[in-house]
Amino acid sequence: DQQVKQNSPSLSVQEGRISILNCDYTNSMFDYFLWYKKYPAEGPTFLISISSIKDKNEDGRFTVFLNKSAKHLSLHIVPSQPGDSAVYFCAASGRDNYGQNFVFGPGTRLSVLP
Amino acid sequence: EPEVTQTPSHQVTQMGQEVILRCVPISNHLYFYWYRQILGQKVEFLVSFYNNEISEKSEIFDDQFSVERPDGSNFTLKIRSTKLEDSAMYFCASNRQGSAYEQYFGPGTRLTVT
Repeated sequence: DQQVKQNSPSLSVQEGRISILNCDYTNSMFDYFLWYKKYPAEGPTFLISISSIKDKNEDGRFTVFLNKSAKHLSLHIVPSQPGDSAVYFCAASGRDNYGQNFVFGPGTRLSVLP
Repeated sequence: EPEVTQTPSHQVTQMGQEVILRCVPISNHLYFYWYRQILGQKVEFLVSFYNNEISEKSEIFDDQFSVERPDGSNFTLKIRSTKLEDSAMYFCASNRQGSAYEQYFGPGTRLTVT
């Protein structure tokens, strides 16, 4: 039961261009969404988050867009830099019948080419 | 900048043995978490801990698992009788506000069960 999906396992982008990473979720109880970046041999690092009451949150080169009706969010990185090459995890949080639920997607590997 | 630390970085154990994975969360954080990532799969939530007790746990966190905060700084995950399928990266995380908010992850402990 994949509550959080990232349908692109990998993405390659030219340096300086925009990277768009997508995430879909199925559980309408999710009310907070986060993006994490993970380098090999390191733990996930928090990037940016968005509450379900917003549709956009921006922090420097990173912008997250949320479309609640479509249960879809995306992370935009512009301009992309080689140091952005990593695995990006979408995560969602909310309460369901069993308690607080915090679910990661499977990740998308971003490669930014110089 | 304060960070979450984990020891050991790699633990090799034989099937059926007990292991204890250790974490030192960020000092003013109140909520603590364990996650695991089986090689090639997504990050999975195991358990959250607040006020010296488990607040949430997933179906993965069965009777073989336990957590403890023995001394006010360490946060440990114990697996009583390891199985081959317990081989994974185990990540500890902490935050101040609860599981809906950004969590700070440690670098992980790679557990190999032979």
